[in-house]
Amino acid sequence: AQSVAQPEDQVNVAEGNPLTVKCTYSVSGNPYLFWYVQYPNRGLQFLLKYITGDNLVKGSYGFEAEFNKSQTSFHLKKPSALVSDSALYFCAVRRYNNNDMRFGAGTRLTVKP
Amino acid sequence: EPEVTQTPSHQVTQMGQEVILRCVPISNHLYFYWYRQILGQKVEFLVSFYNNEISEKSEIFDDQFSVERPDGSNFTLKIRSTKLEDSAMYFCASSEVGRGNQPQHFGDGTRLSIL
Repeated sequence: AQSVAQPEDQVNVAEGNPLTVKCTYSVSGNPYLFWYVQYPNRGLQFLLKYITGDNLVKGSYGFEAEFNKSQTSFHLKKPSALVSDSALYFCAVRRYNNNDMRFGAGTRLTVKP
Repeated sequence: EPEVTQTPSHQVTQMGQEVILRCVPISNHLYFYWYRQILGQKVEFLVSFYNNEISEKSEIFDDQFSVERPDGSNFTLKIRSTKLEDSAMYFCASSEVGRGNQPQHFGDGTRLSIL
């Protein structure tokens, strides 16, 4: 079965600095990889996805993620963090042939002014 | 932008009672999902639904759970005899296609509290 690991419960960065939220995955076959963000008392909001093609994927709000097949990673990045980026971030993986999407445990990003 | 809507936002139920959580998926979407998130834990897949039948379900989705699309717009999750450990946030999601590369769009969730 597919699975995702987010090794950091919490990431703290200063506003204006680059941020990275880490994700590694395990799946048989080609993965579909996703990042979602969750703000307080809200559902999960789609940020970006990797299906195939370029390893660097660009998404909403200036976020991007880099797919690395050899390291089975899909880290989320942003060149310059904003205080409003503070939220809970979830990485998710799905096998190409099913709907069962597995989420990581989430990483709480705090951007300080 | 079209949204997935869920009602109620908070449901409080006595243990052993039946509860129905309601969702209105995005109108042109064909695949529907339920997830749950126990407080402080990860989001867990429960079930996917397409063409009026369950397409996949997880080990969590046992006989006490059922899903239904009673009309052209609603998608419901029923928990037959609730237990304390059913307390969680329940998220509905929908997507245009399944087993594909389209993202799932989530509602804001129903917080279920079992007393």
